[in-house]
Order: sequence, then structure tokens, then C-alpha cells
Amino acid sequence: AQSVAQPEDQVNVAEGNPLTVKCTYSVSGNPYLFWYVQYPNRGLQFLLKYITGDNLVKGSYGFEAEFNKSQTSFHLKKPSALVSDSALYFCAVRDGPNQGGKLIFGQGTELSVKP
Amino acid sequence: GAVVSQHPSWVICKSGTSVKIECRSLDFQATTMFWYRQFPKQSLMLMATSNEGSKATYEQGVEKDKFLINHASLTLSTLTVTSAHPEDSSFYICSAPGLAGAVELFFGEGSRLTVL
Repeated sequence: AQSVAQPEDQVNVAEGNPLTVKCTYSVSGNPYLFWYVQYPNRGLQFLLKYITGDNLVKGSYGFEAEFNKSQTSFHLKKPSALVSDSALYFCAVRDGPNQGGKLIFGQGTELSVKP
Repeated sequence: GAVVSQHPSWVICKSGTSVKIECRSLDFQATTMFWYRQFPKQSLMLMATSNEGSKATYEQGVEKDKFLINHASLTLSTLTVTSAHPEDSSFYICSAPGLAGAVELFFGEGSRLTVL
């Protein structure tokens, strides 16, 4: 069975500093990996995905994520955090193309960026 | 990207009544849609997969008779919470795979249900 873990419930960063939100996964086949962001009382917005190819994936709003197969990780990063990045971040996984599109989400990490 | 519209955004109802939530794909056709439930400060729990023209596929532990899902057209899926009780209060979010070839899901804005 596929699963995703986000080990940190909350990450606190000062504005302008780099940020990392951690994610590890477990699938039986080749993983399709995703990051989403959620603002209060809103749906999820797609940030980026890894399917195949370069391990470093660039996405929306300056975010990027690095796929590490040996560590089964897909950490989200941004070189310089903004206060407006404060939100709830979800990592998600799909076990290749054969799950009918179904995504399994991690527990979520609340990112707080202080001025 | 593909747009998914969800309605209503907020709904308050009395215990024992039924509530219908609509999920529409605005600029694409969706043969499959997914319904998630989210508790405060928690992750999204997949409730069911909605299939156009056929029965929905429910995840283990989700009551089919409580959460009725209908996918009558290629752009509309509905979730009806029947005989709602306070424990059904939650944030319900629908999603769809988007345009052909897209692997990511696109999400509606969610519906906050409060059962009094």
C-alpha cells in the first residue's frame, strides 16, 4: 500500500530565509509525487509534481522539490520565504499510473513565516 | 489549469436533514471525480471515487447510505449527506484529474458543512 509521511506538524521560518518542508513516501512501484498548498477554508492548490526525469522539480511561486529515490523523500524547498507563504502544505503520492488518479496525502505541515 | 467549482461554500443545517454538495468541472470533462473529507488541522481523507455513468467506489469505512454520490454527467458530481448529524460536520473537498494527460488533481474550493 502507498503512504506518505510529513514528519513535521509545523515549520517556522523567518522571512527571507530558506525553507524546507519534509516528505517521505512508500509505494510499491514508481512514485508520482505532488505538493499542494492550502490556505484557510480553501481548496488545495497544485504546486508541483515529479513523474520522471530530473530529480529537481520547479513549481509555482518559486517552490521546488527534490526527488531522492534512495531516501524515498520529496522535500519541498524555497530559497527565500515570504510571509505570504504561510499556509498548510500537503505532500501526496500516487503509485504510478494505475490508481485511477487517486492520491494519498500526508498529514500536512503548517508553515509559518514571520516578518 | 483546469477549474473545479464547488457549491455551496458554506452550509448550516439541522440534524436529520440532508445536504447536497455539487462539484463541477468548468472547462473540461471529468469521467472521474474524487471526494475528500478534512477535519480541522488534519489531512484529507479520501471518501470515494465518483464515476460518470456508474456507481461510486467507496473507501473502506465510508458509509455508502450516508454519503450518496451521483455522477450524472461529464461535468457534475454530487455528494449528498443524508440524515446529517453533528459528527458529519466537516470540510468536504472534491477534485478531478483535469485535462487529458494530466496526472495531478485539481481541487474545488471546498464546502464547510455545519450540522446543528
